[in-house]
Amino acid sequence: DAGVIQSPRHEVTEMGQEVTLRCKPISGHDYLFWYRQTMMRGLELLIYFNNNVPIDDSGMPEDRFSAKMPNASFSTLKIQPSEPRDSAVYFCASSLGTQETQYFGPGTRLLVL
Amino acid sequence: AQSVTQPDIHITVSEGASLELRCNYSYGATPYLFWYVQSPGQGLQLLLKYFSGDTLVQGIKGFEAEFKRSQSSFNLRKPSVHWSDAAEYFCAVAPPGEYGNKLVFGAGTILRVKS
Repeated sequence: DAGVIQSPRHEVTEMGQEVTLRCKPISGHDYLFWYRQTMMRGLELLIYFNNNVPIDDSGMPEDRFSAKMPNASFSTLKIQPSEPRDSAVYFCASSLGTQETQYFGPGTRLLVL
Repeated sequence: AQSVTQPDIHITVSEGASLELRCNYSYGATPYLFWYVQSPGQGLQLLLKYFSGDTLVQGIKGFEAEFKRSQSSFNLRKPSVHWSDAAEYFCAVAPPGEYGNKLVFGAGTILRVKS
């Protein structure tokens, strides 16, 4: 299996622009997670889905952030408008089910100027 | 407040020496416990996890961890470190009731291995 796939791997944008991060989970995994990693806040869970349905979005920082999972093989995390403080590495992870191992993608490194 | 603490930001050990990375948690009940490793520019990889049962857990790459309820700790150990173990290590917990889904990560410990 190819593992969790994220695109793009690097993104540089200007403040105010819309940013869309993409994730393809491992085939057959029912859970999908979005994390953000920064020096100041460390690694934090933003939102997770079960069977394409958002279960917990309490970690989403504000309304500028939104996430969707239109089908079992694709999810997006969108930031609109982006701000410099959104600069971070964003990870997507997937798992087979409750209490199963979460497999992480390589991350998207976002820089907002 | 509920939290996960990794007291050591950086640790340097000699190749072949033993290693112990510390992790403490603060929750009302025993959470699910995990150790992940992150190599530079990579995602996280699970080393081991503890849900219940035997308090000494064996993981991949020769790592083990011991859960100590009385100390609210879940320290990671390896008897002999290899240069390829240089990476950042994260302790994580899933609070009781979250069934291992909603991971809360510690700040991480960067391991440097000197030859």
